[in-house]
Amino acid sequence: DGGITQSPKYLFRKEGQNVTLSCEQNLNHDAMYWYRQDPGQGLRLIYYSQIVNDFQKGDIAEGYSVSREKKESFPLTVTSAQKNPTAFYLCASSGGQGTSGANVLTFGAGSRLTVL
Amino acid sequence: DAKTTQPPSMDCAEGRAANLPCNHSTISGNEYVYWYRQIHSQGPQYIIHGLKNNETNEMASLIITEDRKSSTLILPHATLRDTAVYYCIVRVGGNKLVFGAGTILRVKS
Repeated sequence: DGGITQSPKYLFRKEGQNVTLSCEQNLNHDAMYWYRQDPGQGLRLIYYSQIVNDFQKGDIAEGYSVSREKKESFPLTVTSAQKNPTAFYLCASSGGQGTSGANVLTFGAGSRLTVL
Repeated sequence: DAKTTQPPSMDCAEGRAANLPCNHSTISGNEYVYWYRQIHSQGPQYIIHGLKNNETNEMASLIITEDRKSSTLILPHATLRDTAVYYCIVRVGGNKLVFGAGTILRVKS
């Protein structure tokens, strides 16, 4: 079945360490996204990529970095510069505008990062 | 992007229809209305979207007012598994969807 795989599901990190969250999709989607969710809050966009080798900052990109070397993969690195990294991280992909002109996102199951 | 307003929470009896409202009074003519839901600690799940006409699929119905300033998501026979946070979003094309706080729907037996 096609879908988005995020790993690890749970991750613990010490302060000052960088950590990379994996996101892989086999939906042949062009666009991929990273969102952050804090308890009781909505989702906030970190980075997004519409094609391979290109990505743009979202609303809260500071302290994060991404790469898009392959269509299927969009890893997110949470750097030590991110002051409050403990959160639930969600990866999504979309195939671009369909015949209806809309663009539906498919989400992964999420990765929960806790900084100790 | 147009801003949406949703009630913070709603209750619904199991087996009854759940009607979730959304106001989007500043929506422009080419912006779609999307609905997603998120069950605790999972990724959001797409439910339905529409532009002008009412839409129905196997999960829900979407009713959009003629002036497009508001919409209602209808779950025809709510079950306990429909308890979730429901997000209403308006956006051109779907890129950079912005998720607000949504409506917490509690289905009770």
